[in-house]
Amino acid sequence: SQQGEEDPQALSIQEGENATMNCSYKTSINNLQWYRQNSGRGLVHLILIRSNEREKHSGRLRVTLDTSKKSSSLLITASRAADTASYFCATVPNTGNQFYFGTGTSLTVIP
Amino acid sequence: NAGVTQTPKFQVLKTGQSMTLQCAQDMNHNSMYWYRQDPGMGLRLIYYSASEGTTDKGEVPNGYNVSRLNKREFSLRLESAAPSQTSVYFCASSGAGAGFFGPGTRLTVL
Repeated sequence: SQQGEEDPQALSIQEGENATMNCSYKTSINNLQWYRQNSGRGLVHLILIRSNEREKHSGRLRVTLDTSKKSSSLLITASRAADTASYFCATVPNTGNQFYFGTGTSLTVIP
Repeated sequence: NAGVTQTPKFQVLKTGQSMTLQCAQDMNHNSMYWYRQDPGMGLRLIYYSASEGTTDKGEVPNGYNVSRLNKREFSLRLESAAPSQTSVYFCASSGAGAGFFGPGTRLTVL
């Protein structure tokens, strides 16, 4: 399987705290993306980081990428109850443009 | 601008029945994908199409067939449904990198 793994599987924090989730993958990549999925809904694209980038920001999101360790992290700062969702990383290989997803982190933000 | 649409939203089949899941996108994307999502497994790629007229197997293609009817439409067919195909199916498309997902089809095979 080309699936990556995410850690932790589940995370529960208080509103206002920061949430960090990690993704490890197996193959060389062109880019890595993070998605959010609210319960019972489709996935929504959050941010894309290319293999030659080390850090990227978008609003309250900060993503890092370490290609030597084949790992990425997603930091959500000042979390809100509305951030409660599952978060998935997806890798796009150097050959082809298909997405391979990790197993996801379930985030609960307690108001 | 509807994005990615999927039909039906829900379906119950008996073992051995066949059905086709429909997907369409209106973003003029070249690439389209079918995934299944099972609890604890994340999303697994069934088939994808890099452009109109081409299709390729993904991680879990057995028991499925696909058709890229035109640039907009990409259908997934189950010829003889099995209980192991009970899952939520997502269609997606991509343009400049990011993926856009449909709302999903929840399929139960009895």
